[in-house]
Formats: sequence, C-alpha cells, structure tokens
Amino acid sequence: QITLKESGPTLVKPTQTLTLTCTFSGFSLSTSGVGVGWIRQPPGKALEWLALIYWDDDKRYSPSLKSRLTITKDTSKNQVVLTMTNMDPVDTATYYCALTTLGWFDPWGQGTLVTVSS
Amino acid sequence: DIQMTQSPSTLSASVGDRVTITCRASQSISSWLAWYQQKPGKAPKLLIYKASSLESGVPSRFSGSGSGTEFTLTISSLQPDDFATYYCQQYNSLWTFGQGTKVEIK
Repeated sequence: QITLKESGPTLVKPTQTLTLTCTFSGFSLSTSGVGVGWIRQPPGKALEWLALIYWDDDKRYSPSLKSRLTITKDTSKNQVVLTMTNMDPVDTATYYCALTTLGWFDPWGQGTLVTVSS
Repeated sequence: DIQMTQSPSTLSASVGDRVTITCRASQSISSWLAWYQQKPGKAPKLLIYKASSLESGVPSRFSGSGSGTEFTLTISSLQPDDFATYYCQQYNSLWTFGQGTKVEIK
C-alpha cells in the first residue's frame, strides 16, 4: 500500500521560509520513472502545482514560483522536502504531496494546512 | 505555460441526471489529461487518466473523452456520492489544473 504524509509548521510569519516534508511508504524514489510532486490549495480555491522531483533528481518548478521554491529528496529516508521562501499571507493553503509515475498524481497525501500570519 | 479552463464553474443537478463538465487547454495536450474528484476537507481522488482511461475502482458511470484542446468528463447517472468538486489537470508540459467545477444538489 502506497501512502504519503505531509508534515511541517501550521503557522509561519510573513517573510519566513516554509519547510515541508513529505514522508512516503510503499514505493522507492530510486525506481525509474517515479516522481513526487507538491500541490497546494488556498481555502476555497483551486489546486496549484508547485514542484516535482524525479527518481534521477531531475527537478521541475512552477514558472510563477520558481524563484522561491526548492525541492530535494532523501531516498534513504523516503522523504521529499519542499522549501518556499519569503512567505506571504496569500501563500496560506493546504499543501499536498503526491506520487506520479506517468504524469497524473495518485495517490495524494492527506494535506497539511499552512497559515501565514504575523 | 498551458492554461486549463473548466466550464461551468458550478453545476446544479439532481440524482439520476447526466452531467458533463468541459475542460479546454490553451494549446494541444494530446491526451495527457487527468480528472480528479475532491470532497470538502479531503485530498483529490484520481478518476480518469490519459483523457479516457478509468482508474481502477472508479464506477463506470464516470467517463472521459477528448483530445487536443477539448475534453469532457461525463457522469452518466449522478449519484448522491458524486456531489463534489471536479478538476482537470494537464501533464503534457509541466502540470496545470483547471479552476474546478462544483457539482451541487439542485
């Protein structure tokens, strides 16, 4: 059974850096074709793809957020870490991680709500 | 960047209705499109991939069609469990989601 779970702070202050960890089981991020992505969803709004890392350490970022994002992986720990700098209240959202092998995301983690407020 | 536009934004329907949601891409994405269902407070659930392939375990009343720039998700007979928000997502070039279609009770 494949599972993913997001963890990190629930509250960050404006201008701070957010660090989120996706811990997964049931697959290996060293297997060819496997990727883990991050997607967020502001309250009451649509899904927005943020970043993705592949088994070979190839990384992709949303063009609109690229300057603020860094995605890394620790294969031995079965973890993917996303950092987002210069947080703003508009970044308040539920952040999800999800598995991809052929482009679509399945399954997803349960999500973690991050609020940006002073 | 590829933009995805869904219509309508909200759809009011009754149990048993046939429901169709449209998703348009700003450029051709071949068949690289997925559909998800999301219920309040839950993560999205994959319904359809590669435009028309039904994910294992998803009821056969859900179907997807289209290619290029225009795609549809159809629910042949709406059931109580189907009231939710639906998103399309392209994976031809990076990843982009539509803005969502909320299916509500009429």
